Amino acid sequence: GENVEQHPSTLSVQEGDSAVIKCTYSDSASNYFPWYKQELGKRPQLIIDIRSNVGEKKDQRIAVTLNKTAKHFSLHITETQPEDSAVYFCAASFSGGYNKLIFGAGTRLAVHP
Amino acid sequence: SAVISQKPSRDICQRGTSLTIQCQVDSQVTMMFWYRQQPGQSLTLIATANQGSEATYESGFVIDKFPISRPNLTFSTLTVSNMSPEDSSIYLCSDNYGYTFGSGTRLTVV
Repeated sequence: GENVEQHPSTLSVQEGDSAVIKCTYSDSASNYFPWYKQELGKRPQLIIDIRSNVGEKKDQRIAVTLNKTAKHFSLHITETQPEDSAVYFCAASFSGGYNKLIFGAGTRLAVHP
Repeated sequence: SAVISQKPSRDICQRGTSLTIQCQVDSQVTMMFWYRQQPGQSLTLIATANQGSEATYESGFVIDKFPISRPNLTFSTLTVSNMSPEDSSIYLCSDNYGYTFGSGTRLTVV
């Protein structure tokens, strides 16, 4: 079925350390993989995305990698800062006419000064 | 990217009543998506709204409970009908591919 698994559910790091969040998806036809940051009480914000024809994408301190064979993708945040503390969601598009997004369960990241 | 205005931002409703949530996009988008987010949980897709055709509902969601309108490429509504306390949640809309989300509607049913 349509499923996206996300790990870990919580992640605690010291400021300046790196954080890695991993997701796996079930549909081999998925071709779009966005990552969102959601702060308390706010809407999800797209922070980076990757399409299936690309293996890696980087934007300043954040990067996403995609392994199509293994059907998993990861978010990497380097030099973490306290303002990176939030809930992060991965998502994958599922075929079936509308390329709908199915979300992972989320990772609560805490960056300690 | 598009900007989506969603309203109301929050409401407290009596059980058995209905609430209509509106999303207005500042540009034309082919599809809009409606999600529900329980406190502390992830986003669950309710339905996909495509202009000119009936919405496509996900498993566990039905049109009688969550009727959707999509009169044009910049606007959509979601109605939560015959509400019960279990419908208390945050409801969000998004544009194509989830590039942008509305600000959400926090619904409490009492």
